[in-house]
Order: sequence, then structure tokens, then C-alpha cells
Amino acid sequence: DQQVKQNSPSLSVQEGRISILNCDYTNSMFDYFLWYKKYPAEGPTFLISISSIKDKNEDGRFTVFLNKSAKHLSLHIVPSQPGDSAVYFCAVSFYGGSQGNLIFGKGTKLSVKP
Amino acid sequence: DAGVIQSPRHEVTEMGQEVTLRCKPISGHDYLFWYRQTMMRGLELLIYFNNNVPIDDSGMPEDRFSAKMPNASFSTLKIQPSEPRDSAVYFCASSITGLEQYFGPGTRLTVT
Repeated sequence: DQQVKQNSPSLSVQEGRISILNCDYTNSMFDYFLWYKKYPAEGPTFLISISSIKDKNEDGRFTVFLNKSAKHLSLHIVPSQPGDSAVYFCAVSFYGGSQGNLIFGKGTKLSVKP
Repeated sequence: DAGVIQSPRHEVTEMGQEVTLRCKPISGHDYLFWYRQTMMRGLELLIYFNNNVPIDDSGMPEDRFSAKMPNASFSTLKIQPSEPRDSAVYFCASSITGLEQYFGPGTRLTVT
């Protein structure tokens, strides 16, 4: 069973509009959440993170929202740019436990059209 | 600053051969991770080290896989003997905290 699910394999958005990527997790013990971006033929790149004591974290055009009751995480990109076209992975961890064990979703491919 | 360095970038080998993948983490990062990415299973953690010591190898698929970290600037992932189902992209990542991880470009392994 997948502990981290990204139910949309792909998403297409017009340049300048908002991109919303979603992630659901199953275990309420997860307490640290991250988003990574991956371009073809490159490794994933850390984008933004949030701990369970917050419900929002913002970094420039990127905002991560956490809804603990719904076990739901989302990444908002505003405004979207063609360079944002990539695969986005969410990842979760037990920060209080083994710090190395990130569990990744399978990714959502974002295409931003000019 | 140099990021995580992996070699080789591509490896094609025949079933039964030994394969060694190499990784140089970012200087000062105490955590090192090995991941495998496949279409079916996505990105999976194989093993990780903290201060050169293996902490969790529960993701290593079987005894054919082994990993070492002889010093803070070098790690290897070895598959012996290799099988076609080992074909995947293998990533190495390093981290200061263990959470925000910085990935190398990956090694694409093809076992025929």
C-alpha cells in the first residue's frame, strides 16, 4: 500500500496561472513534509518543506499548505512559468524518528504552456 | 559549489556481472542516501549512512546488493551478480539534517 499518493500523474497549466499539485498521506505520525522538483536526466531538487506544527510555508512563488486533519499536502505555484515544467514529488518523514527515511510519492508531471 | 557527484552516468552490463556505482557527497554533509527509481515503484530508499555508518538498510532488495562508505567523501553501491530486474536509475543524495536531501544526477543502469 502506498503511504504517499499523488493521484494526478500529470497537470497542464497556462503560463501565468496557478498550478496546484496535491499529495495525500495515510499515517498521521508523519510530521515533516517536503516537495522536490525533477527535470529529465537530473536528480530531484529540494524545493520547499513544512513541519506539522505549521499549516503554510511560503517561498517566493511557491507555497506549501498542510491540512493535517485531511492528511493532505498541496503545492501552489503562482504565477506558473514554462521553466516550472517538471515532475514534482512530495515526500514525508517521521522527523522525530529516523531522520533519513523519506517516503516519496510517485510524482506529478507539470506542463506549463506559454 | 560542487553538488553530489555520481559515476558512471550510464552503465550497460550483462546479467551476472558485477556493477559498482560511485558517489561523492557534498562536503560537510553527514548523511548519505542511495535510492532506486523505477516506473513501477517510483523512488525507493535503499540504504542510508550517518557519519559513514549504515543506519538503515531495510530497503536493500536482497543480498546481491551491498553498500559501503569508507570515508566521508565516498560511497559505493555494488550489485553482484546483476539481473535484468535491477535495471533502474540509481540516485545518491546527501544532507546535513537528513531531511532536505540533495540528489546527484543519477546512474542509469541497464542489465541485459
